[in-house]
Amino acid sequence: AQSVTQLDSHVSVSEGTPVLLRCNYSSSYSPSLFWYVQHPNKGLQLLLKYTSAATLVKGINGFEAEFKKSETSFHLTKPSAHMSDAAEYFCVVSAYNAGNMLTFGGGTRLMVKP
Amino acid sequence: DGGITQSPKYLFRKEGQNVTLSCEQNLNHDAMYWYRQDPGQGLRLIYYSQIVNDFQKGDIAEGYSVSREKKESFPLTVTSAQKNPTAFYLCASSIATHNEQFFGPGTRLTVL
Repeated sequence: AQSVTQLDSHVSVSEGTPVLLRCNYSSSYSPSLFWYVQHPNKGLQLLLKYTSAATLVKGINGFEAEFKKSETSFHLTKPSAHMSDAAEYFCVVSAYNAGNMLTFGGGTRLMVKP
Repeated sequence: DGGITQSPKYLFRKEGQNVTLSCEQNLNHDAMYWYRQDPGQGLRLIYYSQIVNDFQKGDIAEGYSVSREKKESFPLTVTSAQKNPTAFYLCASSIATHNEQFFGPGTRLTVL
C-alpha cells in the first residue's frame, strides 16, 4: 500500500520570500515521486519527478524537491515566490514494484501576497 | 503538437440525462485515466485503461461508464445514476500506469 500526506492545505507567502510545501509519503517499495501544479480551472502540469537518481530534483519555474528516505519526505521548495506561483500543488507517489498507480495527496493551495 | 484534448470545456446537463465527455491523446500512450475533482479537494480516480478494449474501475466508478475502442480515445459517460455529477473532470494518459501522467485541460460539468 502507498499513501501521501500533504501537511498543509493552505500556505501563504509574500512575493520574493521562500516557498516550502511539505509532503510525506508511505510506500512498501522504492517509490517514484512527483509534484504537479494546477492553476484555476486548468489541468495538472508536472513540476518535477524523482525516480531513484539524484535525491535533489530540479523542476520547472525554479522549483526543486529533495527526496529524504529516512524522513519519508519529498518537500517542494522555491527560493523566491512570484505572483504567478499562486496555484494548487499536488504531491504524488507511485511504486512500480507494487504494480500500483499514482496516489495523489490532497493538495496544498499556495497564495502569494504582493 | 502532442497532447491531450478534452471537450467540451463546459457542459450543462439536466437531471436524468446521460452525457459523454470526450478525451483524445496523440502521445501514443497505452494508459488513460479519468478523475473527478470537487472544489477544494484532490483527485479521485473514476476509471482507467491500460490497453485498448480493457478498463478497470477506480475508487468512484458508480454512475459512470467508459469505453476504449481506440488507443487515442477514452470517452467517459456520466449516467443518470450518478447522484452528484457536478464537478471538474480531468483526463490523463501515461506510457504505463506507474509513470507520470499527462493531463488534459478538464471539463466542468454542471447539472441544472
